[in-house]
Amino acid sequence: QQPVQSPQAVILREGEDAVINCSSSKALYSVHWYRQKHGEAPVFLMILLKGGEQKGHEKISASFNEKKQQSSLYLTASQLSYSGTYFCGTEISGGGADGLTFGKGTHLIIQP
Amino acid sequence: EAGVAQSPRYKIIEKRQSVAFWCNPISGHATLYWYQQILGQGPKLLIQFQNNGVVDDSQLPKDRFSAERLKGVDSTLKIQPAKLEDSAVYLCASSYTNTGELFFGEGSRLTVL
Repeated sequence: QQPVQSPQAVILREGEDAVINCSSSKALYSVHWYRQKHGEAPVFLMILLKGGEQKGHEKISASFNEKKQQSSLYLTASQLSYSGTYFCGTEISGGGADGLTFGKGTHLIIQP
Repeated sequence: EAGVAQSPRYKIIEKRQSVAFWCNPISGHATLYWYQQILGQGPKLLIQFQNNGVVDDSQLPKDRFSAERLKGVDSTLKIQPAKLEDSAVYLCASSYTNTGELFFGEGSRLTVL
């Protein structure tokens, strides 16, 4: 079952904050976040395991709400380099048995 | 460290023709994935290998798609015969374990006319 991402697109000014959500109708083992720039390969950002942990990577952090089966990606004080499409990938079984199912993506445009 | 290598980068074929894509994962990565990414959508898993063996190929259209991973290293994805709806970027990814970060190649862009 494909996770649902929201919003579909966001346009921000440099320095503004953004939140991208990823929801699943099934119980999740983990959520992965990737960023893809136009014409390039997706690049890994972070993995969150069930347990509601929160992780940070410079000014990009994420949380995983196990009860809601929802993950949120937070981009703080956005930079021009943050522009791209953000995908969440979900894993249900754990142990790598079922691979990742990606959402349709959220397009983020940062303007100077 | 060398990344995931894929070839060809671009391929244009007519429908009903065949095509093959090659992937060389990062050295030491046991798990290899093939994803299909249609324009404007997220990557869709086609097949997952753990060393030589197939872990998941439930979304691989087996009437036209085939994939193999010889000696647990390089992999080839074949489409025969191709349909218009197969136009997409085919991404190969590898990971050290089957639960960790995926490293993607730059992809092979297929256009079926």
